[in-house]
Amino acid sequence: DADVTQTPRNRITKTGKRIMLECSQTKGHDRMYWYRQDPGLGLRLIYYSFDVKDINKGEISDGYSVSRQAQAKFSLSLESAIPNQTALYFCATSDHRAAQYFGPGTRLTVT
Amino acid sequence: DQQVKQNSPSLSVQEGRISILNCDYTNSMFDYFLWYKKYPAEGPTFLISISSIKDKNEDGRFTVFLNKSAKHLSLHIVPSQPGDSAVYFCAASDRNQFYFGTGTSLTVIP
Repeated sequence: DADVTQTPRNRITKTGKRIMLECSQTKGHDRMYWYRQDPGLGLRLIYYSFDVKDINKGEISDGYSVSRQAQAKFSLSLESAIPNQTALYFCATSDHRAAQYFGPGTRLTVT
Repeated sequence: DQQVKQNSPSLSVQEGRISILNCDYTNSMFDYFLWYKKYPAEGPTFLISISSIKDKNEDGRFTVFLNKSAKHLSLHIVPSQPGDSAVYFCAASDRNQFYFGTGTSLTVIP
């Protein structure tokens, strides 16, 4: 079984809809992250959490919110999706400052 | 502004030769550096890292070099194999966040 799972893997939604992307991990790590990848821009950090009570904005948090429901679960919400949020979204976990383990990604298309 | 830059979007190398991937950063507060490899339809996977107290770290065919004065790191793959064909991301960390480059697509030609 995968250490970091993301659901859904693919999603097409319309402008203005609310959508939630979910991430679960079995690594037992405290730290969890959400990134988006766009062509030519690499991976950019949206939000990160160092434990259940700790949530921090990354460099591109506008238009997004997150919830850390448990140590193993970290969800990303788009309250009102817009087309420029079309991207590949990755969840990751890490143990303190060690390397991150990434999920397989969610391809989101906003029409 | 991009704090971590990979200026070569792509690189082609013959099998058995050396692949050298480069990365530059701007923030002198970065003290931990990593390389990730990414295949299509998969998430990035960790390859190798280096702390700012070192200038070289080696793991099998992979070696990372860090030049702090130039704010530059590089990944050497020797010998290159066709299975190394992937997108490679460098990343740098301060105490909280990781910052990624835009990636270099490596093609190893058999």
